Amino acid sequence: GAGVSQSPSNKVTEKGKDVELRCDPISGHTALYWYRQRLGQGLEFLIYFQGNSAPDKSGLPSDRFSAERTGESVSTLTIQRTQQEDSAVYLCASSFSSGGASGNTIYFGEGSWLTVV
Amino acid sequence: GNSVTQMEGPVTLSEEAFLTINCTYTATGYPSLFWYVQYPGEGLQLLLKATKADDKGSNKGFEATYRKETTSFHLEKGSVQVSDSAVYFCALSDHANYGGSQGNLIFGKGTKLSVKP
Repeated sequence: GAGVSQSPSNKVTEKGKDVELRCDPISGHTALYWYRQRLGQGLEFLIYFQGNSAPDKSGLPSDRFSAERTGESVSTLTIQRTQQEDSAVYLCASSFSSGGASGNTIYFGEGSWLTVV
Repeated sequence: GNSVTQMEGPVTLSEEAFLTINCTYTATGYPSLFWYVQYPGEGLQLLLKATKADDKGSNKGFEATYRKETTSFHLEKGSVQVSDSAVYFCALSDHANYGGSQGNLIFGKGTKLSVKP
């Protein structure tokens, strides 16, 4: 597709279960980002992939969170043993290399709404 | 570290009123600056950007000027419309590579704008 695609768009899960969120970036974009947006809050940076470089994981809130990316394509964000505090919109974004640092536009998907009950 | 501070909302205006949403930043390098908008029920979209000091970004009647001397990037529009009701996020991306975070966006907490007819 033309934009960043995320799935599922909505997910309700029970506390303690694992969830996987998927992101398909725009074709040709080497940089991929995951952000979290809690209700009424700003965006929190989670993780950043740039080509074949080691990802920047500095934003991951705990070791329950992990993410992988296959080459320069699909990325999966995994949350293990979900807690109610994990309820949020998880946004994926992509850009050409170096993203915003070079003034390149970072394009966002519509997000995956996660509710932990 | 890098950070963005924007005025807290909500902001409520009448149609055709003048809008200013203040944004100031702290950065260790030479950031690019962005305004993103999130319309109700939609994903985050880039509104405008500026990549160096004194640049002016503009789009859809909105403007923001990159002021290095005051470390600001205030968003303005001369005459708002009901359709401008949304949450507006100021963000920066630092050119300097500190801790491998080059390129990712640092967001403010967002300002909700409601425009009444």
